[in-house]
Amino acid sequence: AQSVTQLGSHVSVSEGALVLLRCNYSSSVPPYLFWYVQYPNQGLQLLLKYTTGATLVKGINGFEAEFKKSETSFHLTKPSAHMSDAAEYFCAVRDSGGGADGLTFGKGTHLIIQP
Amino acid sequence: EAQVTQNPRYLITVTGKKLTVTCSQNMNHEYMSWYRQDPGLGLRQIYYSMNVEVTDKGDVPEGYKVSRKEKRNFPLILESPSPNQTSLYFCASSLMVSDTQYFGPGTRLTVL
Repeated sequence: AQSVTQLGSHVSVSEGALVLLRCNYSSSVPPYLFWYVQYPNQGLQLLLKYTTGATLVKGINGFEAEFKKSETSFHLTKPSAHMSDAAEYFCAVRDSGGGADGLTFGKGTHLIIQP
Repeated sequence: EAQVTQNPRYLITVTGKKLTVTCSQNMNHEYMSWYRQDPGLGLRQIYYSMNVEVTDKGDVPEGYKVSRKEKRNFPLILESPSPNQTSLYFCASSLMVSDTQYFGPGTRLTVL
Protein backbone atom coordinates (compact mmCIF):
# COMPACT_ATOMS: atom_id res chain seq x y z
CA ALA A 1 0.00 0.00 0.00
CA GLN A 2 1.12 3.49 -0.73
CA SER A 3 1.18 6.41 1.64
CA VAL A 4 2.15 10.06 1.47
CA THR A 5 3.30 12.28 4.31
CA GLN A 6 3.38 16.03 3.98
CA LEU A 7 5.32 17.70 6.77
CA GLY A 8 3.49 20.71 8.10
CA SER A 9 -0.20 21.35 7.61
CA HIS A 10 0.59 25.08 7.39
CA VAL A 11 3.72 26.75 6.05
CA SER A 12 4.22 30.51 6.21
CA VAL A 13 6.86 32.35 4.18
CA SER A 14 7.51 35.98 3.35
CA GLU A 15 6.92 37.28 -0.14
CA GLY A 16 10.16 36.82 -2.10
CA ALA A 17 11.45 34.07 0.16
CA LEU A 18 12.12 30.45 -0.75
CA VAL A 19 9.17 28.10 -0.68
CA LEU A 20 9.83 24.54 0.45
CA LEU A 21 6.97 22.07 0.88
CA ARG A 22 7.98 18.61 2.00
CA CYS A 23 6.61 15.31 0.77
CA ASN A 24 7.71 11.81 1.64
CA TYR A 25 6.12 8.69 0.26
CA SER A 26 6.15 4.97 0.68
CA SER A 27 5.56 2.65 -2.22
CA SER A 28 6.45 -0.96 -2.90
CA VAL A 29 7.12 -0.27 -6.57
CA PRO A 30 8.63 2.72 -8.39
CA PRO A 31 6.14 5.52 -7.97
CA TYR A 32 4.64 8.18 -10.12
CA LEU A 33 4.64 11.41 -8.08
CA PHE A 34 2.51 14.50 -8.42
CA TRP A 35 2.02 17.90 -6.89
CA TYR A 36 -1.39 19.53 -7.19
CA VAL A 37 -2.45 23.02 -6.11
CA GLN A 38 -5.90 24.03 -4.94
CA TYR A 39 -6.83 27.69 -4.88
CA PRO A 40 -9.76 28.75 -2.67
CA ASN A 41 -13.09 27.41 -3.90
CA GLN A 42 -11.52 25.72 -6.89
CA GLY A 43 -10.63 22.22 -8.00
CA LEU A 44 -7.16 20.75 -8.11
CA GLN A 45 -4.68 21.80 -10.75
CA LEU A 46 -1.58 19.82 -11.66
CA LEU A 47 1.64 21.66 -10.84
CA LEU A 48 4.09 19.02 -11.94
CA LYS A 49 4.67 15.29 -12.06
CA TYR A 50 7.45 12.75 -12.09
CA THR A 51 7.07 9.47 -13.95
CA THR A 52 10.46 8.44 -15.30
CA GLY A 53 13.66 10.08 -16.48
CA ALA A 54 15.09 13.30 -15.08
CA THR A 55 14.60 13.49 -11.35
CA LEU A 56 14.35 17.29 -11.27
CA VAL A 57 10.96 18.23 -12.60
CA LYS A 58 9.87 21.73 -13.52
CA GLY A 59 6.25 22.72 -13.34
CA ILE A 60 4.03 25.72 -13.80
CA ASN A 61 4.30 29.03 -11.98
CA GLY A 62 8.03 28.60 -11.29
CA PHE A 63 7.71 25.51 -9.10
CA GLU A 64 9.97 22.51 -9.29
CA ALA A 65 10.44 19.26 -7.40
CA GLU A 66 13.17 16.68 -7.14
CA PHE A 67 12.60 12.96 -6.86
CA LYS A 68 15.10 11.46 -4.42
CA LYS A 69 14.71 7.71 -4.34
CA SER A 70 17.16 7.19 -1.49
CA GLU A 71 15.19 9.59 0.69
CA THR A 72 11.76 8.61 -0.68
CA SER A 73 11.07 12.30 -1.05
CA PHE A 74 9.55 14.64 -3.61
CA HIS A 75 9.83 18.10 -2.08
CA LEU A 76 8.34 21.10 -3.87
CA THR A 77 10.32 24.33 -4.14
CA LYS A 78 10.06 27.80 -5.59
CA PRO A 79 12.93 30.29 -5.31
CA SER A 80 10.81 33.37 -4.66
CA ALA A 81 7.30 33.30 -3.24
CA HIS A 82 4.56 35.48 -4.67
CA MET A 83 1.33 36.48 -3.01
CA SER A 84 -0.57 34.54 -5.67
CA ASP A 85 1.08 31.31 -4.48
CA ALA A 86 -1.12 31.24 -1.39
CA ALA A 87 -3.10 28.03 -1.72
CA GLU A 88 -3.39 24.42 -0.55
CA TYR A 89 -0.79 22.05 -1.99
CA PHE A 90 -1.19 18.31 -2.24
CA CYS A 91 1.44 15.70 -2.92
CA ALA A 92 0.16 12.46 -4.47
CA VAL A 93 1.56 9.11 -5.48
CA ARG A 94 0.47 6.19 -7.55
CA ASP A 95 2.16 2.94 -8.39
CA SER A 96 3.79 2.63 -11.76
CA GLY A 97 2.99 -1.07 -11.72
CA GLY A 98 -0.16 -0.82 -13.81
CA GLY A 99 -2.77 -1.12 -11.11
CA ALA A 100 -6.13 0.56 -11.48
CA ASP A 101 -6.05 2.45 -8.23
CA GLY A 102 -6.12 6.19 -8.34
CA LEU A 103 -3.92 8.65 -6.61
CA THR A 104 -3.05 8.45 -2.93
CA PHE A 105 -2.90 11.97 -1.56
CA GLY A 106 -1.15 13.54 1.36
CA LYS A 107 -3.20 15.58 3.79
CA GLY A 108 -2.19 18.84 2.21
CA THR A 109 -0.10 21.86 3.16
CA HIS A 110 -1.63 25.29 3.36
CA LEU A 111 0.90 27.83 2.07
CA ILE A 112 0.60 31.31 3.59
CA ILE A 113 2.49 34.21 2.05
CA GLN A 114 3.29 37.10 4.37
CA PRO A 115 3.63 40.53 2.71
CA GLU B 1 -12.70 23.70 -23.85
CA ALA B 2 -11.49 20.45 -22.29
CA GLN B 3 -13.04 20.11 -18.88
CA VAL B 4 -14.64 18.03 -16.17
CA THR B 5 -17.97 19.38 -14.98
CA GLN B 6 -19.89 18.53 -11.83
CA ASN B 7 -23.41 19.35 -10.78
CA PRO B 8 -24.59 20.62 -8.46
CA ARG B 9 -21.72 22.67 -7.07
CA TYR B 10 -23.44 23.07 -3.71
CA LEU B 11 -26.10 20.90 -2.12
CA ILE B 12 -27.75 20.86 1.28
CA THR B 13 -29.95 17.87 1.98
CA VAL B 14 -31.37 15.82 4.84
CA THR B 15 -30.50 12.38 6.11
CA GLY B 16 -31.91 9.58 4.01
CA LYS B 17 -32.93 11.57 0.94
CA LYS B 18 -31.36 9.96 -2.11
CA LEU B 19 -29.20 12.21 -4.25
CA THR B 20 -27.02 12.06 -7.33
CA VAL B 21 -24.00 14.18 -8.15
CA THR B 22 -23.26 14.21 -11.85
CA CYS B 23 -19.84 14.24 -13.45
CA SER B 24 -19.14 14.68 -17.13
CA GLN B 25 -15.94 15.00 -19.16
CA ASN B 26 -15.51 16.01 -22.79
CA MET B 27 -12.00 14.64 -23.32
CA ASN B 28 -12.92 11.06 -24.27
CA HIS B 29 -11.08 9.84 -21.17
CA GLU B 30 -11.35 6.19 -20.23
CA TYR B 31 -10.51 6.50 -16.53
CA MET B 32 -12.77 8.38 -14.13
CA SER B 33 -12.72 8.61 -10.39
CA TRP B 34 -14.50 10.14 -7.41
CA TYR B 35 -12.72 11.56 -4.35
CA ARG B 36 -13.89 13.16 -1.17
CA GLN B 37 -11.90 15.87 0.58
CA ASP B 38 -12.14 16.37 4.32
CA PRO B 39 -10.13 18.79 6.48
CA GLY B 40 -6.93 17.22 7.73
CA LEU B 41 -7.46 14.07 5.67
CA GLY B 42 -6.64 15.21 2.16
CA LEU B 43 -8.42 13.49 -0.71
CA ARG B 44 -9.55 9.88 -0.55
CA GLN B 45 -10.76 7.83 -3.46
CA ILE B 46 -14.36 6.59 -3.32
CA TYR B 47 -14.83 4.72 -6.60
CA TYR B 48 -13.15 4.56 -9.96
CA SER B 49 -13.97 3.35 -13.44
CA MET B 50 -11.55 2.00 -16.01
CA ASN B 51 -14.08 2.22 -18.84
CA VAL B 52 -17.78 1.88 -19.66
CA GLU B 53 -19.48 -0.66 -17.38
CA VAL B 54 -16.24 -1.22 -15.43
CA THR B 55 -16.23 0.22 -11.92
CA ASP B 56 -14.46 -0.67 -8.69
CA LYS B 57 -14.19 0.44 -5.09
CA GLY B 58 -11.59 2.86 -3.87
CA ASP B 59 -10.52 3.45 -0.29
CA VAL B 60 -13.82 4.75 1.14
CA PRO B 61 -16.74 3.28 -0.88
CA GLU B 62 -19.23 2.67 1.95
CA GLY B 63 -22.50 4.51 1.43
CA TYR B 64 -21.84 5.34 -2.22
CA LYS B 65 -22.72 3.89 -5.61
CA VAL B 66 -21.57 4.76 -9.09
CA SER B 67 -22.42 3.83 -12.64
CA ARG B 68 -20.65 4.20 -15.98
CA LYS B 69 -23.17 3.68 -18.76
CA GLU B 70 -21.49 6.17 -21.09
CA LYS B 71 -17.86 7.05 -21.42
CA ARG B 72 -18.33 10.73 -20.64
CA ASN B 73 -20.52 10.41 -17.50
CA PHE B 74 -19.75 9.00 -14.07
CA PRO B 75 -22.48 9.89 -11.55
CA LEU B 76 -22.04 9.44 -7.81
CA ILE B 77 -25.13 8.18 -6.02
CA LEU B 78 -25.87 8.44 -2.32
CA GLU B 79 -28.87 6.18 -1.70
CA SER B 80 -29.36 7.20 1.93
CA PRO B 81 -27.06 10.08 2.83
CA SER B 82 -25.87 10.48 6.39
CA PRO B 83 -24.19 13.45 8.12
CA ASN B 84 -20.77 11.77 7.94
CA GLN B 85 -20.99 12.13 4.16
CA THR B 86 -20.87 15.89 4.49
CA SER B 87 -17.78 16.68 2.46
CA LEU B 88 -16.29 18.24 -0.65
CA TYR B 89 -16.46 15.85 -3.58
CA PHE B 90 -14.26 15.86 -6.66
CA CYS B 91 -14.61 13.98 -9.89
CA ALA B 92 -11.48 13.38 -11.96
CA SER B 93 -10.68 11.84 -15.31
CA SER B 94 -7.64 10.78 -17.30
CA LEU B 95 -7.03 9.30 -20.72
CA MET B 96 -5.64 6.13 -19.21
CA VAL B 97 -5.23 5.13 -15.58
CA SER B 98 -1.55 6.02 -15.71
CA ASP B 99 -2.05 9.52 -17.08
CA THR B 100 -2.50 12.84 -15.35
CA GLN B 101 -5.90 13.20 -13.74
CA TYR B 102 -7.95 16.30 -14.43
CA PHE B 103 -10.27 17.43 -11.68
CA GLY B 104 -13.70 18.97 -11.72
CA PRO B 105 -14.53 22.10 -9.68
CA GLY B 106 -15.95 20.17 -6.75
CA THR B 107 -19.37 19.67 -5.12
CA ARG B 108 -19.83 20.80 -1.56
CA LEU B 109 -22.41 18.52 0.09
CA THR B 110 -23.98 19.10 3.48
CA VAL B 111 -26.19 16.40 4.98
CA LEU B 112 -28.29 17.57 7.92
